[in-house]
Amino acid sequence: GAVVSQHPSRVICKSGTSVKIECRSLDFQATTMFWYRQFPKQSLMLMATSNEGSKATYEQGVEKDKFLINHASLTLSTLTVTSAHPEDSSFYICSASYLGVTETQYFGPGTRLLVL
Amino acid sequence: GNSVTQMEGPVTLSEEAFLTINCTYTATGYPSLFWYVQYPGEGLQLLLKATKADDKGSNKGFEATYRKETTSFHLEKGSVQVSDSAVYFCALGYGQNFVFGPGTRLSVLP
Repeated sequence: GAVVSQHPSRVICKSGTSVKIECRSLDFQATTMFWYRQFPKQSLMLMATSNEGSKATYEQGVEKDKFLINHASLTLSTLTVTSAHPEDSSFYICSASYLGVTETQYFGPGTRLLVL
Repeated sequence: GNSVTQMEGPVTLSEEAFLTINCTYTATGYPSLFWYVQYPGEGLQLLLKATKADDKGSNKGFEATYRKETTSFHLEKGSVQVSDSAVYFCALGYGQNFVFGPGTRLSVLP
């Protein structure tokens, strides 16, 4: 149980385009989903927290207009990287929690984004 | 604020050697503590966790004890295998706050 999927697993796009990443909880209802970013050979940084049906809460330094997060249902959250640039290339990982807290989050497999 | 410090890697061991990866934390409140493992090119897998002081988390031969007095959660394994080669992240979570340590890369040689 407690499986979280992400789609796509890898994406390559041109600079200036937008990319949407989906995060789904497959066998439970996720009241909260978290989005993380991992640079090569570095740790993960929490970008934002999204609660179903409300606006996402962004961590300090994360541009909310650049990284649009939508959590429209209890099983789906999306992260859209708008007008992507090469510096946005990274590994994006989502997690989902049925209790709304990080102590009970389950991680997705990640999406590798490369912006050319 | 909350933070997690881990020993610097990379750590290189021979198969069947004893492993310790140190992790210390600073936190307000009483967080839960976690170890995650990331194999090359993959996402994170929860290895073990402890939710309160003196709890011991264990899984796949790995163990870690939540030590409030020393604010530590060191990861240990008695006999590592080549398949344990990965990056290990210590982390703390409290409500909707979650902080990862920098990660420690472990390489186990046959």
